Amino acid sequence: DIQMTQSPSTLSASVGDRVTITCRASQSISSWLAWYQQKPGKAPKLLIYKASSLESGVPSRFSGSGSGTEFTLTISSLQPDDFATYYCQQYNSYSLTFGGGTKVEIK
Amino acid sequence: QVQLQESGPGLVKPSETLSLTCTVSGYSISSGYYWGWIRQPPGKGLEWIGSIYHSGSTYYNPSLKSRVTISVDTSKNQFSLKLSSVTAADTAVYYCARNIAAAGKFDYWGQGTLVTVSS
Repeated sequence: DIQMTQSPSTLSASVGDRVTITCRASQSISSWLAWYQQKPGKAPKLLIYKASSLESGVPSRFSGSGSGTEFTLTISSLQPDDFATYYCQQYNSYSLTFGGGTKVEIK
Repeated sequence: QVQLQESGPGLVKPSETLSLTCTVSGYSISSGYYWGWIRQPPGKGLEWIGSIYHSGSTYYNPSLKSRVTISVDTSKNQFSLKLSSVTAADTAVYYCARNIAAAGKFDYWGQGTLVTVSS
């Protein structure tokens, strides 16, 4: 299985901050990476796919980058609605795996 | 608008089989895409369980493969999960979701259903 490692596991930030979350794959996954946002008690929501493509309806303050084994999710100006947990997911192989999650908390 | 809804018992006894069904509306399963199950233990991260195509072709998480069966009923626009020999470690919120491809992103999700394994 391809292992996905996210860092940090928790991030404290303020409204308006630029936030960056990192996801590393245990082997190259080309650009086959998605990012999800999950709020308490809710299902995950797809934000980014193919490493940098923004899902329809997702605000442009979210962006993704990277290829191979290292990827980042950036929120350019953190909004109150963005406090949540974020997960990466690789789909380079038929055995799909998620990162452990990054919780973005209010500072 | 594609919608998915999980249903099934919220409590299962240890060693028994967990059974859940996902009903899809707003899209015909027969039209394509894969359909998957993902779970999330309380306070923990997401784990993919497996996915199925309308033809019945399946892909499973290797760590669960020996206990998992996913099936599809296109006439009812539903797909189902069976997980055998459950233990407390299988207690989780179970989500169904549309999987763009066998190796793909999940673009539509159900709300999730909590299944507790306890005697």
